[in-house]
Amino acid sequence: SAVISQKPSRDICQRGTSLTIQCQVDSQVTMMFWYRQQPGQSLTLIATANQGSEATYESGFVIDKFPISRPNLTFSTLTVSNMSPEDSSIYLCSVEATGGKTEAFFGQGTRLTVV
Amino acid sequence: DAKTTQPNSMESNEEEPVHLPCNHSTISGTDYIHWYRQLPSQGPEYVIHGLTSNVNNRMASLAIAEDRKSSTLILHRATLRDAAVYYCILRSIVIGTYKYIFGTGTRLKVLA
Repeated sequence: SAVISQKPSRDICQRGTSLTIQCQVDSQVTMMFWYRQQPGQSLTLIATANQGSEATYESGFVIDKFPISRPNLTFSTLTVSNMSPEDSSIYLCSVEATGGKTEAFFGQGTRLTVV
Repeated sequence: DAKTTQPNSMESNEEEPVHLPCNHSTISGTDYIHWYRQLPSQGPEYVIHGLTSNVNNRMASLAIAEDRKSSTLILHRATLRDAAVYYCILRSIVIGTYKYIFGTGTRLKVLA
């Protein structure tokens, strides 16, 4: 299994500012995933972060808006830039279990409110 | 990306079995079928997954159609703690990597 810690757990931010969300895993993993969950909705994949390379973004998400860092095999950050109220969502970090097991683990999420 | 479709909501009486359906008609041969559930204010948690054969674990059973275009998550005896949103997900391999694509989810209500 993998234990994921996300910080902050929640934040209220002013529009036009940026927030960086941290994701720490208790084991080394190859890939980390960032999701957005808008109120009452399902999870939407933002990007996949591989250590040592640029993140791969899904359609509708761009690096300028959601820059991602992946400095090592246990840590990643997602920045939500130039925020607007439409960015108010829960942002979740996820990893897949190691050892060839196809099972994903999720953090508790960061609840972001933009005012 | 292959997609899944699920009913928006379902209800069940406590102690009765629950069958949660999922359609994934565009599934490819290498896609795994996963089920996760999400309790309020928590991240999704793993329930079960399979590729072609039916699967059982301590939480649930997964029945996969022979053509793999649909599957059913079976909770054998629903409890109040099983009330959650259940997501049917395809783990897809894409250009040497993989990703989990979430469906819309089914909100399960368990009646006492």
